[in-house]
Amino acid sequence: QVQLQESGPGLVKPSQTLSLTCTVSGGSISSGSYYWSWIRQPAGKGLEWIGRIYVYGGTNYSPSLKSRVTISIDTSKNQFSLKLNSVTAADTAIYFCARGWHTSGWYYFDYWGQGTLVTVSS
Amino acid sequence: DIQMTQSPSSVSASVGDRVTITCRASQDISSSLAWYQQKPGKAPKLLIYAASSLHDGVPSRFSGSGSGTDFTLTISSLQPEDFATYYCQQANSFPYTFGQGTKLEIK
Repeated sequence: QVQLQESGPGLVKPSQTLSLTCTVSGGSISSGSYYWSWIRQPAGKGLEWIGRIYVYGGTNYSPSLKSRVTISIDTSKNQFSLKLNSVTAADTAIYFCARGWHTSGWYYFDYWGQGTLVTVSS
Repeated sequence: DIQMTQSPSSVSASVGDRVTITCRASQDISSSLAWYQQKPGKAPKLLIYAASSLHDGVPSRFSGSGSGTDFTLTISSLQPEDFATYYCQQANSFPYTFGQGTKLEIK
């Protein structure tokens, strides 16, 4: 059974960089069958896709965040990571990592981490 | 970006009721639509993909239909564990986008 677990600071100061890691267990992140995504959810609100990475290095980002986001992958640790710079209070949210599984060329999120709350505050 | 609009935003229903939730895309997304269920404090769970395919382990009382711009999620006979928030998501093009959610509450 695949499991994903987010980790990282729960509090980040404004203008600094938010850094989170997702550790994948029960399966290899190096499998070419999947993409690995970050998704966030402000308290009481809906879901926002941030971006994704493929094990062979390809990335796609949401245009609204693209200038501030970097997603990377470490196959030796079976982890992928999110960096979001120049954060503001609007970046306060629960951050989820998720596995993108495809069928017919479309990707859906079939496994999710439990989520981690990141608060941006001084 | 493709906008996903769900209706209603909330619905009250009783155990045993049949409930339908609608999702409309701002442009044609073929059948590239998923439905997720989220309970408080938990991650979303994939229910339906490709508009009408049931994900592994999801009870058969859940069904999805539609293509193009209009989609529905139907729960044929509500069970107590089905009271949650439901989201649709389009997988047709970047950025992937979600509906605003439909909260299913106990009447």
